Amino acid sequence: AQTVTQSQPEMSVQEAETVTLSCTYDTSESDYYLFWYKQPPSRQMILVIRQEAYKQQNATENRFSVNFQKAAKSFSLKISDSQLGDAAMYFCAYRSLGSGGSNYKLTFGKGTLLTVNP
Amino acid sequence: EPEVTQTPSHQVTQMGQEVILRCVPISNHLYFYWYRQILGQKVEFLVSFYNNEISEKSEIFDDQFSVERPDGSNFTLKIRSTKLEDSAMYFCASSRASLYGYTFGSGTRLTVV
Repeated sequence: AQTVTQSQPEMSVQEAETVTLSCTYDTSESDYYLFWYKQPPSRQMILVIRQEAYKQQNATENRFSVNFQKAAKSFSLKISDSQLGDAAMYFCAYRSLGSGGSNYKLTFGKGTLLTVNP
Repeated sequence: EPEVTQTPSHQVTQMGQEVILRCVPISNHLYFYWYRQILGQKVEFLVSFYNNEISEKSEIFDDQFSVERPDGSNFTLKIRSTKLEDSAMYFCASSRASLYGYTFGSGTRLTVV
């Protein structure tokens, strides 16, 4: 079974600075997806960024980018120019690339609570 | 942008009562899911549903739980006899296929007293 580990329960960053959230995972599969989800105090789950394991290029979405190291099974999230609205719980998640609905479930890490200081 | 809609947003129920959590997935999505998040803990997979049947369920999803897609638009999660430990945020999600991402609903906060 796949596991996802987020070793930083909490992180803080000054507004306008850059912060990196860590995520490692364990899998025997060669193809899969990785995600970062943001959960603000409203507790809604919002997709931040997605990475396909077969793509070597790191995904980027505006101020959010990832550092995907497949061999090391590492998938960190970098937030540049941090804003107060970035304050939230961030979850790393893994999903198999399989056939049939059973392989589409997400396995989440325990989350990192990000605080943005003005 | 299409949304996954969950109702109610918050439900309080007495221990032992039955509850039904409702979800309206995005209309052209084919795969449906329920996840649970106990306060302060990680999000956990409960069940996936495809082609009108359960495709996978976790250990959490025991005989007290059931899912249904009664009318082609709603997707419900029923808990037959709630326990205190069922108190959690329940998220519905849907996706078109493996190449597409999930869309989560806003969640239903279930409080069992």
